[in-house]
Amino acid sequence: GDSVTQMEGPVTLSEEAFLTINCTYTATGYPSLFWYVQYPGEGLQLLLKATKADDKGSNKGFEATYRKETTSFHLEKGSVQVSDSAVYFCALSSMYSSASKIIFGSGTRLSIRP
Amino acid sequence: DAGVIQSPRHEVTEMGQEVTLRCKPISGHDYLFWYRQTMMRGLELLIYFNNNVPIDDSGMPEDRFSAKMPNASFSTLKIQPSEPRDSAVYFCASSLEGSRTEAFFGQGTRLTVV
Repeated sequence: GDSVTQMEGPVTLSEEAFLTINCTYTATGYPSLFWYVQYPGEGLQLLLKATKADDKGSNKGFEATYRKETTSFHLEKGSVQVSDSAVYFCALSSMYSSASKIIFGSGTRLSIRP
Repeated sequence: DAGVIQSPRHEVTEMGQEVTLRCKPISGHDYLFWYRQTMMRGLELLIYFNNNVPIDDSGMPEDRFSAKMPNASFSTLKIQPSEPRDSAVYFCASSLEGSRTEAFFGQGTRLTVV
């Protein structure tokens, strides 16, 4: 079945460091891909998305490119801030019958040191 | 719109008691999802609805769990009887036209069964 695999955390970086969180997926058809972020005590919120191959999603300095050939959607940011500390989830949409559902990875906890 | 609204935010109950979690999706959204989040298992999809109809309940852990969506603006997740291993954060999310578009999450209900 469809699945998402993302790098395990926790990931700890210093402020202004470069960030990469790896995400690969397995899916039939052509899913949409998402990154969600969860701040402490809150629900998940969409960070960025890409709906077709070679699309690049971007938001708040974060970027991810839909790579069909490598089935990947890695999250990157050039210079992280303390406020980026959160749990990040990679996700894909999955078609099932005529409806659809979202499948999430296990999440990667990111901590940024001042 | 106020977003997805879940109640209660926190629930503490004794083992064996019935627990009902409530969700009000965003008006106009036609998909509603129930997720459970734990440290051990991450984010699990329990069940989702399309136009108030349950589409996939394969993630519901046992017969003790049931979910209903009597109308487009309300859904419940019930656990009867509750057990300590049900302790988790339960999230409700809604979206328009499935997962090609963003899913909006509520703030979650933290359930503790003692």
